[in-house]
Amino acid sequence: DIQVTQSPSFLSASVGDRVTITCRASQDISSYLAWYQQKPGKAPKLLIYTASTLESGVPSRFSGSASGTDFTLTISSLQPEDFATYYCQQLKTYPLTFGGGTKVEIK
Amino acid sequence: QVLLVESGGGVVQPGGSLRLSCATSGFTFTSYAMHWVRQAPGKGLEWVAFIRYDGSDKYYADSVKGRFTISRDNSENILYLQMNSLRTEDTAVYHCAKDRHPNLFDYWGQGTLVTVSS
Repeated sequence: DIQVTQSPSFLSASVGDRVTITCRASQDISSYLAWYQQKPGKAPKLLIYTASTLESGVPSRFSGSASGTDFTLTISSLQPEDFATYYCQQLKTYPLTFGGGTKVEIK
Repeated sequence: QVLLVESGGGVVQPGGSLRLSCATSGFTFTSYAMHWVRQAPGKGLEWVAFIRYDGSDKYYADSVKGRFTISRDNSENILYLQMNSLRTEDTAVYHCAKDRHPNLFDYWGQGTLVTVSS
């Protein structure tokens, strides 16, 4: 199985901060990685797929990048509505696997 | 708009069974693969099962293989998850999710809570 290690698990930041979340896959998954945002009591929402493609309707302050088996989600200027938990997911092979999540809270 | 609505959750004893349903609308159900994804209370997301658009292929997480069965009714636009031999560790909110090839979850239902407890 492909393991996806996400870090940090918790992040405290202020409005306007630049935030970076990282996922590392245990083997090559090419660009088969997606990022989701989840708010309490809600279903996850797709943000980015194929490592760097922004889903329609998602603000441009969100971006994704990849380098080998390392993937990064960046929020360029954190907004109040961005405080949530973020998950990465590998799409390459079954079983599909998620990172453990990063909870972004208000400093 | 795309709508996915789960039902069938509840409280069940260990060893018991439940069948979850996911009623869909707003897209051509017969053209898309579907998934079940679960989330234990306070925990992260765990993919559970996949079914191809025509039901010809199914895949499962190791944690549920042999106990859970995913199926679909393409005449009624409904996705199912039959859960047998339930364990306490199956306690979770179960979401159905529409697939965007390959294996991307582009729409999610709000979920139905399954609690396995004696």
